[in-house]
Amino acid sequence: QITLKESGPTLVKPTQTLTLTCTFSGFSLSTSGVGVGWIRQPPGKALEWLALIYWDDDKRYSPSLKSRLTITKDTSKNQVVLTMTNMDPVDTATYYCAHGVRQWNDAFDIWGQGTMVTVSS
Amino acid sequence: QSVLTQPPSVSGAPGQRVTISCTGSSSNIGAGFDVHWYQQLPGTAPKLLIYGYNNRPSGVPDRFSGSKSGTSASLAITGLQAEDEADYYCQSYDSSLRGVFGGGTKLTVL
Repeated sequence: QITLKESGPTLVKPTQTLTLTCTFSGFSLSTSGVGVGWIRQPPGKALEWLALIYWDDDKRYSPSLKSRLTITKDTSKNQVVLTMTNMDPVDTATYYCAHGVRQWNDAFDIWGQGTMVTVSS
Repeated sequence: QSVLTQPPSVSGAPGQRVTISCTGSSSNIGAGFDVHWYQQLPGTAPKLLIYGYNNRPSGVPDRFSGSKSGTSASLAITGLQAEDEADYYCQSYDSSLRGVFGGGTKLTVL
């Protein structure tokens, strides 16, 4: 059974750097065809694709946020970390991590419960 | 605004059929990239409904189906049920292999 869980601060100040950790079980990020992605959703708004890291360490970023995002993996700890610099109130959102399946053309088949991050001074 | 365009809302009576459109461009859906559909019930994480135009993960009823034509895709729900009331999102990739989502469609079961 695949599970993912996001963790990190619930409140960050403007200009600070956000660090979120996705801890997963039921799969290995060293297995061919596996990826973990990050998606966010501001309150009452649509989903936004942020980043995706693959088993081979290939990384993809949203073009509009690429300069602010870094995604890394720690295969031994079964974790993926997303950092976002220069946080702004518009970055207030629920942040989800999800299991990506290359065989299914990178669909996200299992999602974490999400973690709400508020950006405010 | 979102790269993929969806109608903000659709509605239907129980038992009816509804469709939700997802319009992209030649750099995403029209370029041949697959379209995935997610269902998000209130207060919960999204759930994968359809992947690769018209494939259902295990456990998803066959009342849900997907299709694609040109630069657009559609999700069809037949035999509408009260529990189908949710937000629905389409997702694809663009020519730079970055993911894109639609703006979401709220389905109301009358």
